Amino acid sequence: DTGVSQDPRHKITKRGQNVTFRCDPISEHNRLYWYRQTLGQGPEFLTYFQNEAQLEKSRLLSDRFSAERPKGSFSTLEIQRTEQGDSAMYLCASSLAALAGTTYNEQFFGPGTRLTVL
Amino acid sequence: AQKVTQAQTEISVVEKEDVTLDCVYETRDTTYYLFWYKQPPSGELVFLIRRNSFDEQNEISGRYSWNFQKSTSSFNFTITASQVVDSAVYFCALSPSGGSNYKLTFGKGTLLTVNP
Repeated sequence: DTGVSQDPRHKITKRGQNVTFRCDPISEHNRLYWYRQTLGQGPEFLTYFQNEAQLEKSRLLSDRFSAERPKGSFSTLEIQRTEQGDSAMYLCASSLAALAGTTYNEQFFGPGTRLTVL
Repeated sequence: AQKVTQAQTEISVVEKEDVTLDCVYETRDTTYYLFWYKQPPSGELVFLIRRNSFDEQNEISGRYSWNFQKSTSSFNFTITASQVVDSAVYFCALSPSGGSNYKLTFGKGTLLTVNP
């Protein structure tokens, strides 16, 4: 399978614990995105990387959240001291950066990691 | 600020009926992109279509068709002769063009249930 993969698919944790999710993008894609989707809502943009550089972070990404993409390939999203409000689906997507003269390259999404904080 | 409104929370139809999913958007950008994504029960968002704001030509792809009307800021999606496999949550999304074109703003989605 050459699509975006995420691990784990499901995570149940107790409030106050730290959790880490992993995303493996499509291999040739240099952009990687993280979104959060709560129940009954559409995905909300959290952050994105171009290669290993984190170029933007949403205001939704509190200090307890940190994302990395150390070698410009896979990415991790860590949530420290989880709260019940962090319960959501965390989606990862990847794309190629649009080159000069092109307009847009689609984001391809992974299956998500569903986090439940008890 | 960008906003996408999908007023229909849930729609239920019987197989073979046609169904239209509504999407209304707000943006201050003069150029932008509009999208439809499908999210089946498995959870993975599946890209369906992207339209540029300067291209109002409607599009048909098999049983799917899209009606983009800039004058009313709408980008509606019609499934003709619906099938049970079409059951999913459908999201309309918007992004600016140019340097921030990675920032997708999604609507809340419409849950479509197609009953046999």
